[in-house]
Amino acid sequence: KNQVEQSPQSLIILERKNCTLQCNYTVSPFSNLRWYKQDTGRGPVSLTIMTFSENTKSNGRYTATLDADTKQSSLHITASQLSDSASYICVVSVGQAGTALIFGKGTTLSVSS
Amino acid sequence: SQTIHQWPATLVQPVGSPLSLECTVEGTSNPNLYWYRQAAGRGLQLLFYSVGIGQISSEVPQNLSASRPQDRQFILSSKKLLLSDSGFYLCAWDRGYEQYFGPGTRLTVT
Repeated sequence: KNQVEQSPQSLIILERKNCTLQCNYTVSPFSNLRWYKQDTGRGPVSLTIMTFSENTKSNGRYTATLDADTKQSSLHITASQLSDSASYICVVSVGQAGTALIFGKGTTLSVSS
Repeated sequence: SQTIHQWPATLVQPVGSPLSLECTVEGTSNPNLYWYRQAAGRGLQLLFYSVGIGQISSEVPQNLSASRPQDRQFILSSKKLLLSDSGFYLCAWDRGYEQYFGPGTRLTVT
């Protein structure tokens, strides 16, 4: 069964601290892995997309890693800001079609001052 | 640039009432369009997708329906809402690799 599991479910950190979110997947065949940021009451916004051959990709203070052998990905946030408070969703694609996306339940990150 | 609109932003409807949510995309042509539902504490669930005008595929059987009367317009409807229809409804589009989401509609069925 195709599944995407994210951990932790929620996380609270202090401003300017770093944090790492985890994503494990059992999806086959694998096409790409995406991380989205979803602010409360808004639609998700793409942070990174990685294909099988990519093992790291950065977008500002966000760095995603992918280990296709262990089927794990992480999203590292550096020097967190209050505006990073959001839900972070890991999505794995089993093909090129948009209908082939498997969504994780997300990690809710709260950054406090 | 491309933009995607959804309305209304929030909606409170009684059980048994009809529903119509609208999504429009600007700045692109012949996009693939999607309706998702996000229930509290759960991941996004794909409800419908469309690859062209009048072409609708349903992923989950339920009391909702979708229509695509124009190339860049996607409508989600119901004749009679259930309590379980409450959630956050997201429209999305893509033309290949990247998928872009709309701002969403918060539906509360009372």
